[in-house]
Amino acid sequence: KQEVTQIPAALSVPEGENLVLNCSFTDSAIYNLQWFRQDPGKGLTSLLLIQSSQREQTSGRLNASLDKSSGRSTLYIAASQPGDSATYLCAVKMDSSYKLIFGSGTRLLVRP
Amino acid sequence: NAGVTQTPKFQVLKTGQSMTLQCAQDMNHEYMSWYRQDPGMGLRLIHYSVGAGITDQGEVPNGYNVSRSTTEDFPLRLLSAAPSQTSVYFCASSYSQFETQYFGPGTRLLVL
Repeated sequence: KQEVTQIPAALSVPEGENLVLNCSFTDSAIYNLQWFRQDPGKGLTSLLLIQSSQREQTSGRLNASLDKSSGRSTLYIAASQPGDSATYLCAVKMDSSYKLIFGSGTRLLVRP
Repeated sequence: NAGVTQTPKFQVLKTGQSMTLQCAQDMNHEYMSWYRQDPGMGLRLIHYSVGAGITDQGEVPNGYNVSRSTTEDFPLRLLSAAPSQTSVYFCASSYSQFETQYFGPGTRLLVL
């Protein structure tokens, strides 16, 4: 059974710092992996989607990497800003299933 | 484009009452799904649809019904609400199960 883990559960950094959020999964037979952002009381906003054949995707200050063989993905945020404060969720799509399997998220606070 | 819209934003029900959570998308997406988000449980798939007239069960379907009469709409029905259905419900859509999924803002449901 696929399990998705995100560590740390919470992270507090000063503004301007570069940071890395981690996502690990137990079954490497994934089709893709997606990173989401969730603001308090709001829905999920898709940040990046990485197909299983890709190593990384970039969007602005965000860079997501994928290492299928080791079951890991990282989300790198450059030059963090207070507006980046949110919960970040990763989710994997298996080859054989319609559903996304979510991690429990990392709650990020960027202090001014 | 409005994207994925959900109504209502918040609802309080008494045990045994029924209600329908509405979801609509204007992106001509074939794939739509319903998730519930609970503390400590993450997001779990309730039902999904791969196109008009086609629905199937997800991970936690008991107590919920769905139908898909049009591409745009995918309502979720609670036939007899129970306190265990207190949760935040998210609707999502995508061109296919393999593409980026777009989430609605959520419906917060409290069952007393």
